[in-house]
Amino acid sequence: DAGVIQSPRHEVTEMGQEVTLRCKPISGHNSLFWYRQTMMRGLELLIYFNNNVPIDDSGMPEDRFSAKMPNASFSTLKIQPSEPRDSAVYFCASSEGYSVYNEQFFGPGTRLTVL
Amino acid sequence: GDSVTQMEGPVTLSEEAFLTINCTYTATGYPSLFWYVQYPGEGLQLLLKATKADDKGSNKGFEATYRKETTSFHLEKGSVQVSDSAVYFCALSDPRKTSYDKVIFGPGTSLSVIP
Repeated sequence: DAGVIQSPRHEVTEMGQEVTLRCKPISGHNSLFWYRQTMMRGLELLIYFNNNVPIDDSGMPEDRFSAKMPNASFSTLKIQPSEPRDSAVYFCASSEGYSVYNEQFFGPGTRLTVL
Repeated sequence: GDSVTQMEGPVTLSEEAFLTINCTYTATGYPSLFWYVQYPGEGLQLLLKATKADDKGSNKGFEATYRKETTSFHLEKGSVQVSDSAVYFCALSDPRKTSYDKVIFGPGTSLSVIP
């Protein structure tokens, strides 16, 4: 398996622009997570999907952030409008779900820079 | 709520030195415990895990023992290599409490190994 795939790997945009990050989880995994990593705040869970349904979005910072999972093999995280403080590395992770072992498999991340 | 505390970094060691990275946790239930590693420019990957008290997780020469009495899960390696340079995250998960496989990560400890 190719692992979790994220695109783009790097994104540079200007404040106010819309940004869309993409994720393809590992085939057969039914849980998907979006994280944000910054030096100041470390690794933060933004949203969790199970079987394509958002279960916990309490980590989404504000209404400018939205996430969708239209099918089992694709998810997007959208920021509209983007702000400089959104600059971070965004990770997508997937797992088999509902397992006491709970191993999450991370993608390589998208490094977002908002100017 | 549940939380994870790690020793602050960065940690700098010479090759073949002994490594300990301290991790303590706070949890009201019986969580599973993990160490994840993040190599430069990559996503996190599971290094080892332990699912109950007194379990020892091990992988690639790293070990950690689940100590319920001290609520600790310290990471150790007898002889580090330059290739071990990375950021190490201690984490916990208790799906019986949260009803899904949410993982709580510590802040991470950066390790640099010099030749």
